[in-house]
Amino acid sequence: DTGVSQDPRHKITKRGQNVTFRCDPISEHNRLYWYRQTLGQGPEFLTYFQNEAQLEKSRLLSDRFSAERPKGSFSTLEIQRTEQGDSAMYLCASSVPPNNSPLHFGNGTRLTVT
Amino acid sequence: AQTVTQSQPEMSVQEAETVTLSCTYDTSESDYYLFWYKQPPSRQMILVIRQEAYKQQNATENRFSVNFQKAAKSFSLKISDSQLGDAAMYFCAYRSASLGETSGSRLTFGEGTQLTVNP
Repeated sequence: DTGVSQDPRHKITKRGQNVTFRCDPISEHNRLYWYRQTLGQGPEFLTYFQNEAQLEKSRLLSDRFSAERPKGSFSTLEIQRTEQGDSAMYLCASSVPPNNSPLHFGNGTRLTVT
Repeated sequence: AQTVTQSQPEMSVQEAETVTLSCTYDTSESDYYLFWYKQPPSRQMILVIRQEAYKQQNATENRFSVNFQKAAKSFSLKISDSQLGDAAMYFCAYRSASLGETSGSRLTFGEGTQLTVNP
């Protein structure tokens, strides 16, 4: 068990550029989550996958955001036409059922949009 | 929608002393789970303790314990014999016990409490 891995750790981009983040969950975890966290705040839910199916999306996930989990293993989160307001830490987590099982979080990807 | 509120943005405690972090939540559900997560400066979120709403007994994990008051929708975390390594941001979180695969799986977090441990 190597834990949840996220890449890159840091990303600096100019406004208007596209960025893509990757998350590798714990191998036997079929549930995968993306959260966004701004400084001094709690994580905000973005989206949830069970295996390859995206089952839930937050209203925070605007049309510029897209997430995939093509083979039910790793996941990518893409932000198109980045805006300064997208600057945040993007956290990935994975878990197994049932709902009292804890989420295991990665170290996050810190995005800075200049 | 469920909400979680942590009314203490910052708390401090002397090493070896006890501190209690507050959390309240709002839900119309009767069955759910509550969690406390710790986020040290390294940023990886770590589970501290969890509580099933149907259990009356308060959860305990070594120096960490909770005071779960279901009627009051309160879920406080007590840290005994505080250590320097306990310094972190602490988040209270709620999760539905719904069996539906498309609902209730998300964790809803509070705003967090920054805990400082003074030597």
